[in-house]
Parts: sequence; structure tokens; C-alpha cells
Amino acid sequence: EVQLVESGGGLVKPGGSLRLSCTASGFTLGSYSMNWVRQAPGKGLEWVSSISSSGGYIYYADSVRGRFTISRDNAANSLYLQMNNLRAEDTAVYYCARDEGPRITGTPLYWGQGTLVTVSS
Amino acid sequence: DIQMTQSPSSLSASIGDRVTITCRASQSISFYLNWYQQKPGKAPRLLINAASNLQSGVPSRFSGSGSGTDFTLTISSLQPEDYATYYCQQSYSTPHTFGRGTNLEIK
Repeated sequence: EVQLVESGGGLVKPGGSLRLSCTASGFTLGSYSMNWVRQAPGKGLEWVSSISSSGGYIYYADSVRGRFTISRDNAANSLYLQMNNLRAEDTAVYYCARDEGPRITGTPLYWGQGTLVTVSS
Repeated sequence: DIQMTQSPSSLSASIGDRVTITCRASQSISFYLNWYQQKPGKAPRLLINAASNLQSGVPSRFSGSGSGTDFTLTISSLQPEDYATYYCQQSYSTPHTFGRGTNLEIK
């Protein structure tokens, strides 16, 4: 069974940093591209970033480019999102989601349950 | 960036009703359109990809159609478990933008 478990969320002050992790099980992480998608409280879904299976292709939303860094450790079955210079508008549930295959297709098929990031003083 | 416009933003319907949700892209995205269902407090669930390809395990009362800029999600006979929020998303190019969602409520 495919499972994705996010961790690392919490309360952080504006300007602070946080590193999210996503631990994958039930499949070989290195065979799939991965995504982060977020959802602000009571709002819709926002695509944040994608990374190809080998890490060779990476894309970011304009709203996070230059502040967030997506990375992966296939040997450790883990996906990461390093978030720096956090703003109040980054407050959201962050979902880790697996794509259909090794290429980035923008079609997250399997999703974790999400981890809440709250940016507030 | 490609903008995705969903309508309606909310919809009240009764059990057994036929429901249609539309999604319009700001430019042609061919058939690169996904539909998701999300229930409160839960992660989204992919229902349909490539505009009309029903995911495994999704009931056949769900269907998708369209290409280019105009797409529809249809539920042929609404069931109690279908009350949720539905999102379209384009996978044609990054950023992979989502529509604002359609909240489907019980009438």
C-alpha cells in the first residue's frame, strides 16, 4: 500500500525557517516524481513545487521561488521542503503527493494527510 | 500562468440528481486536465486525469469530458458520499494551477 507521511510542521515566526519531510512507503520513491501542494485554512489548493525522480528537474511556484527548496533522498525514501523567510501567507496544510511516474506530469495520484505550518508572531 | 476558472463555486443538489461542474482554462491545455475530490479534513483524491480517464476505484457515475479550454465533470446520479469540494487542475505546464473549487452541498 502506498503511504506518504508528512512531518515537520508547526508554529514559526515570520522570517523563520522550517523543514518539512515526507516519508514514503509501499513503493520505490526513486521511480516517481514528487510534489508539494498546500492549502491555506478554508482556501483552495495551490501547487508549490515538483521534483523529478532523479532530482534533475525541479519547478517552483512564483510565490515560493527563492525561499523554498525541494529535495529528495531516494535511499532514505524521503522528500523534503526547506522553507526559509516564511511569511504569514505561507500558513497552510502542506501535502506531499506522488506523481504517476518518473517524469513530472503535474498529476499527483497519491497524497499524504498533510502537515500544518502556521506562520505567526 | 494558466488560470483555471471553475463554475459554479457552490452547488446544492439532491440525491439522485445529475450534476455538472465546469472548468475553463485561460489558454488551450489540450486534454491535460485533472479533477479532484476533497472532503473536510482529508487529502484530495484524484478522480479523473487527462480530462476523461477515470481512476481505478472511482465509481462510474463520475465522468469527465472536454479538451482545449473547456471541460466538465459530471456525476450522473448523486450519492450521499459525493458531497465534497471538487477541484480542477491543469497539468499542461508549470505552475500546475488549480481552480478555486466547487463546494457540492446537500439540498
